[in-house]
Amino acid sequence: ETGVTQTPRHLVMGMTNKKSLKCEQHLGHNAMYWYKQSAKKPLELMFVYSLEERVENNSVPSRFSPECPNSSHLFLHLHTLQPEDSALYLCASSQGLARWTGELFFGEGSRLTVL
Amino acid sequence: GENVEQHPSTLSVQEGDSAVIKCTYSDSASNYFPWYKQELGKRPQLIIDIRSNVGEKKDQRIAVTLNKTAKHFSLHITETQPEDSAVYFCAAYTLSNDMRFGAGTRLTVKP
Repeated sequence: ETGVTQTPRHLVMGMTNKKSLKCEQHLGHNAMYWYKQSAKKPLELMFVYSLEERVENNSVPSRFSPECPNSSHLFLHLHTLQPEDSALYLCASSQGLARWTGELFFGEGSRLTVL
Repeated sequence: GENVEQHPSTLSVQEGDSAVIKCTYSDSASNYFPWYKQELGKRPQLIIDIRSNVGEKKDQRIAVTLNKTAKHFSLHITETQPEDSAVYFCAAYTLSNDMRFGAGTRLTVKP
């Protein structure tokens, strides 16, 4: 596997479920991100990790909980979600924070549907 | 924080015509402006970028122009082809904030 891989690609969950999204990057990068992509809205930055430390958290509800156990893996733990949380969740990585070095490398996303 | 606006939201052109997508940003400290292309069902990928010390950059059929005074930048695609059909996102960021994206432009190139 190369690049940034996300699992699962599709997830349907009820509002009371607990699930997790997983992201793995094989690029040797040291920064990882979660973005939310909703129809006709800008990509919303949710969380940024650099060297496994969270460096940015953009007022995301606590029902979303990120975890970065090492520089290659990033999780997004989901709990008690709302239907409006249905979206495509994109993981990305970069070598150094993208604000300094430039390019983000995205995964193909996890399509989440909350019933 | 940075606010990025992108227009138009949809754009349809005939094959061979040019396409222009415009973005404006709010933070005068923004210094890096990438453009990403997202084909249907695929991941966004960087296609071109420009830094604030440059006014224009070109790569084959695509070019980006930057007007720092007016705080806007544009993507130009010439001689469009059906495979250019995708959603294009602009973004802007400063040294103190990570990337903020525009809402995207869905480009359709009709054969």
